[in-house]
Amino acid sequence: DAMVIQNPRYQVTQFGKPVTLSCSQTLNHNVMYWYQQKSSQAPKLLFHYYDKDFNNEADTPDNFQSRRPNTSFCFLDIRSPGLGDAAMYLCATSRERDSPPQDTQYFGPGTRLTVL
Amino acid sequence: AQKVTQAQTEISVVEKEDVTLDCVYETRDTTYYLFWYKQPPSGELVFLIRRNSFDEQNEISGRYSWNFQKSTSSFNFTITASQVVDSAVYFCALNQAGTALIFGKGTTLSVSS
Repeated sequence: DAMVIQNPRYQVTQFGKPVTLSCSQTLNHNVMYWYQQKSSQAPKLLFHYYDKDFNNEADTPDNFQSRRPNTSFCFLDIRSPGLGDAAMYLCATSRERDSPPQDTQYFGPGTRLTVL
Repeated sequence: AQKVTQAQTEISVVEKEDVTLDCVYETRDTTYYLFWYKQPPSGELVFLIRRNSFDEQNEISGRYSWNFQKSTSSFNFTITASQVVDSAVYFCALNQAGTALIFGKGTTLSVSS
């Protein structure tokens, strides 16, 4: 089945220790998104890639970076995690970005990050 | 500015009851899109439905139905004959083409047997 896969499902890191979260997709979609969802809150968009074009949200902290080496994979790097970065990180994909309904987003299962 | 309000934080029902989840949105644009997503305890956001602003036709899919009313800026979601597996957080969301999804704060639905 075509899907969005996130690894690992649970990640524990130490305060200040860099961590990388992974997302892959078999949908061959052009757009990949990273969302942060804190406990009992709505998902918040951090950034997205439209093909190789990186688009950062204005209020995304510099501590968060992303890489998309190819169509299938996208990584979220947190350079120096703080306690406030503990959250669920959701990856999503869409076939297109500006052409409804092809911009419907499909989400992966998420990675729950704990910062000690 | 765009905004989505889900006034119901938590709803508890007993199996087989019908339940309606409310969603009210704000936007100044005439072209926009509305969504419902389900987030079970496993964490994955599951896409349920998408509606564009020009299509006010209500939709039914099995036990799920959606009522879109532009006059009241609402896009409500009804589950008929609820089941325990319906227990989840449900998010309503809004966007225009090419912009970020704006989510409501979600409604936690608990269905007990």
